[in-house]
Amino acid sequence: SQQGEEDPQALSIQEGENATMNCSYKTSINNLQWYRQNSGRGLVHLILIRSNEREKHSGRLRVTLDTSKKSSSLLITASRAADTASYFCATPEAAGNKLTFGGGTRVLVKP
Amino acid sequence: DTAVSQTPKYLVTQMGNDKSIKCEQNLGHDTMYWYKQDSKKFLKIMFSYNNKELIINETVPNRFSPKSPDKAHLNLHINSLELGDSAVYFCASSGPSGALAGELFFGEGSRLTVL
Repeated sequence: SQQGEEDPQALSIQEGENATMNCSYKTSINNLQWYRQNSGRGLVHLILIRSNEREKHSGRLRVTLDTSKKSSSLLITASRAADTASYFCATPEAAGNKLTFGGGTRVLVKP
Repeated sequence: DTAVSQTPKYLVTQMGNDKSIKCEQNLGHDTMYWYKQDSKKFLKIMFSYNNKELIINETVPNRFSPKSPDKAHLNLHINSLELGDSAVYFCASSGPSGALAGELFFGEGSRLTVL
């Protein structure tokens, strides 16, 4: 079963708009990670937020984490056509070596 | 320099055949993984090796056999291929503390199509 569930499954926006996607997970976590996958490519790590952090920024990305609600959000500000991709949240199991991914949000940024 | 490289990128084969996918990482990482991504983009871990030792073996048919000759290489051999094996297989690696400490680095994927 998926540890993370993402919402929405797909998102279509105009260039310059913001894109927000959410991730819910089931068990306690040490950290939560976001990855991007361009079509036909491998996954690329975007940002990691630890369980004791509430918000983190990296360039145009803002990630929040609410451990009481077991949820995280990824905001991409001022989106560009190059942001078109699938975005996945992922959480490690307590044992450490198993990173479990959500189903992903497919983002289309129209020029 | 490619950090995690896997070959081949594309594999098209008939049911019943045997095929292998190779993976190499030049990041000096101790841990390597195989993930399977289905047509709906769901990613599922299959195996993980730490310094050549198998540490994760998910519920995968025993037709799938990983092999790690050294900590920089993790290969995947699949026997008696079935239609349901069609997917994109990703190799990944991570540092000594695994996903608890940081990120996974992924290869570009190997798209397997079984006819």
